[in-house]
Amino acid sequence: QITLKESGPTLVKPTQTLTLTCTFSGFSLSTSGVGVGWIRQPPGKALEWLALIYWDDDKRYSPSLKSRLTITKDTSKNQVVLTMTNMDPVDTATYYCAHSRWLVLDYWGQGTLVTVSS
Amino acid sequence: QLVLTQSPSASASLGASVKLTCTLSSGHSSYAIAWHQQQPEKGPRYLMKLNSDGSHSKGDGIPDRFSGSSSGAERYLTISSLQSEDEADYYCQTWGTGTSWVFGGGTKLTVL
Repeated sequence: QITLKESGPTLVKPTQTLTLTCTFSGFSLSTSGVGVGWIRQPPGKALEWLALIYWDDDKRYSPSLKSRLTITKDTSKNQVVLTMTNMDPVDTATYYCAHSRWLVLDYWGQGTLVTVSS
Repeated sequence: QLVLTQSPSASASLGASVKLTCTLSSGHSSYAIAWHQQQPEKGPRYLMKLNSDGSHSKGDGIPDRFSGSSSGAERYLTISSLQSEDEADYYCQTWGTGTSWVFGGGTKLTVL
């Protein structure tokens, strides 16, 4: 059974760096074809893809946010970490991590709401 | 540029069927997509992967009422025997080697 869970701060101040952790079970991020990605959803708005890391440590980022994002993995801990620099109130959103197999996104975490406010 | 276009809203009556559409941008009509459902105040749930030939594979526990089909650059999600719990936002999503994941804007389905 594949599960993913996001953790991190619920409130960050403008200009701060956000660090989110996705802890997963039921699969290994060293298995060929497997990836873990991050998606966000501002209140009342659509889903937006942020970043994706593959089993072979290849990393992809949303072009519009690439300069602010870093994604890493710790295979031994079954964790993927996303950092986003220079947070702004428009970055207020629910952040989800998700599992993929050969790019097909097939399992979602429950999401974590991050509010950016001074 | 790989873009997915969805109508913002749709509605259908309880017990009826509804067909939601997701359109791939020009030059990408061979792409597979995935459909995801997001019920109110919940996280998204994967429904199915839908190929350009209309073949599809559903996620764990997805009822037979949900099916997919394709025609050219259009990808469809059909929900039959609509139930109240089907009232949700439905997102299509695709992937590319360069752009990785792309999401459509979502369709809000109202069950009347």
